[in-house]
Formats: sequence, structure tokens, C-alpha cells
Amino acid sequence: DMKVTQMPRYLIKRMGENVLLECGQDMSHETMYWYRQDPGLGLQLIYISYDVDSNSEGDIPKGYRVSRKKREHFSLILDSAKTNQTSVYFCASSPGGAETLYFGSGTRLTVL
Amino acid sequence: GQQVKQSSPSLTVQEGGISILNCDYENDMFDYFAWYKKYPDNSPTLLISVRSNVDKREDGRLTVFLNKSGKHFSLHITASQPEDTAVYLCAAGENQGGSAKLIFGEGTKLTVSS
Repeated sequence: DMKVTQMPRYLIKRMGENVLLECGQDMSHETMYWYRQDPGLGLQLIYISYDVDSNSEGDIPKGYRVSRKKREHFSLILDSAKTNQTSVYFCASSPGGAETLYFGSGTRLTVL
Repeated sequence: GQQVKQSSPSLTVQEGGISILNCDYENDMFDYFAWYKKYPDNSPTLLISVRSNVDKREDGRLTVFLNKSGKHFSLHITASQPEDTAVYLCAAGENQGGSAKLIFGEGTKLTVSS
């Protein structure tokens, strides 16, 4: 069963705390993505990973970093979270290029 | 600036009518174009996609039209039904350059009224 799994589904943090969002996929896809979705802005690309330890900045990488040590896992890290990082975060994977993206169910992060 | 843009944040169509959703892009290196559908509190799912070597693709009630010279593509949904009510996100990417970046538009909320 092809699946992208995100944990946690909901998360509340205080400003200045560190945040770890986890994503896993069971399809052996090479490429994985982190997007955030905000009203009126659609999905904005934060980071893209082409494989283990092969990560590239997306359009809005500032304030975020990523880690991909295994092909099936891609983590998004917020060091010292800010209130403007309150958003819904989606992880996705694809088999290669910008083909079909399979999305996780999203993590709703609130930074107080 | 926004590389992929959906100028209409919302659209209402009567049941049975044709829904037309539009998307404009800036980068003429984009060679892959897609439409995703998203229900509230759910993740986006791929509806239909097209490569730059064709200007039209049909799949059931869905048709994508690609106008490369105008940097514009659209999604037509015929015989629109209430269950088509959702947010539709257009996306474009540059596959040939080795990049897997897929850039999304802001989304258009389609409401099909019965």
C-alpha cells in the first residue's frame, strides 16, 4: 500500500522551541519534498531532497533545515520556531522528476 | 514573484455546467504541468498532468489545455458535480533540466451548486 506518513498530525509549540516534523514513505521514492500551505499562497516549496544527503533549497528555506539519512525518511527541523512559521506542512515523495507527487496528510503546526 | 499563478481564488458553477480553471506561469523552461485536487483537511492528490510536447489531454470529464506561447494552461471539468467541490491547485515543473521542483499556484476554490 503506497503511503506517505507524517507525524505528528497536530503540534503546538512556543516561540523559540525546536520543532521536528517527520515524514516517511514506503515506495522507495528518490525524491522527497517539504511544502507549507498558507491561505492565499497555495503550497510553497521549502526543501527538496533528491536522495540520501542530497538536499536543495526550495523557494522559502529560511528558518528551516532538513535531514535525509535514509531514503524512506525526510525530516524538517525548525531551530527556534517563530510565530510566522505557524502553518500546515506537507511532505511529499515522487519516483524521480517532478512527476506524480504523493502527499502525506499534513502537520498543522501552531507556534505561540 | 509568483512563478505559477491562479488569478481566480474562487469559482462557482451550476451542477451540470463546465468548470474552467486557469493557471499562468512565468518560466518558459517548465515542461510538465499538472492539476491537483484538495479537499479541506486532506492532502492534495494528482488529477491530471500533461507534458509540454502536447497541447491537450483528456481523461473522462477532465481536459487540460496547454498554451505554451501564452504560458497558460487550464483545466476544464464537464458535467460538473457537487462532489467536484474542492480546491484545485495547478503546478508546473522543469523535468528535463534534472530538477524535480514542482511549483504550485495559490489554488482556486471550486463550488458546484446543485
